[in-house]
Amino acid sequence: AQSVTQLGSHVSVSEGALVLLRCNYSSSVPPYLFWYVQYPNQGLQLLLKYTTGATLVKGINGFEAEFKKSETSFHLTKPSAHMSDAAEYFCAVSSNSGYSTLTFGKGTMLLVSP
Amino acid sequence: KAGVTQTPRYLIKTRGQQVTLSCSPISGHRSVSWYQQTPGQGLQFLFEYFSETQRNKGNFPGRFSGRQFSNSRSEMNVSTLELGDSALYLCASNPGTGPVYEQYFGPGTRLTVT
Repeated sequence: AQSVTQLGSHVSVSEGALVLLRCNYSSSVPPYLFWYVQYPNQGLQLLLKYTTGATLVKGINGFEAEFKKSETSFHLTKPSAHMSDAAEYFCAVSSNSGYSTLTFGKGTMLLVSP
Repeated sequence: KAGVTQTPRYLIKTRGQQVTLSCSPISGHRSVSWYQQTPGQGLQFLFEYFSETQRNKGNFPGRFSGRQFSNSRSEMNVSTLELGDSALYLCASNPGTGPVYEQYFGPGTRLTVT
């Protein structure tokens, strides 16, 4: 069985500060890992994904994440927060078993203050 | 390409009634998945359809069902609605083949059960 833990249901940063959203996963098979963002009253938008290869993954809007197998982590970072980054962020894991089912974390609400 | 569309966007139903939600995937995508999003339980997988066949199913009661048509459009049905079924129902599509399954989400249908 797979699971995802996101540390912190809410994270507050100032505009221009570093954004760090934490994600740890559990998977019995090599995982595929994803970060999604959800703005109010909208669906989920893919920020970035890790499948194989380079462990540092760059996504849209300046976000990146690093896959660390030894720590079973896939933390999301952005060097400088913008007001428009305020949203809810979800980490998700999928397996390469042939199914496309995603297991999501509980989400982290990112609050950005001026 | 047009994105994933879901209809209706908002729905209010009474306890005991049934409801049908519709999802049109991205053109060419053969896999459609459904997720339920609630504040308490987060995002939970309902089921996935691929080429008109249910390929995977989450842990939901039999009141939740779905189907997929030959044009890949999908519907999900919830019978005998309960208050706890109030949620945002998200549909996601992907090509359905290949080693990596990147899900593309629709805006969701907000179901309120009174």
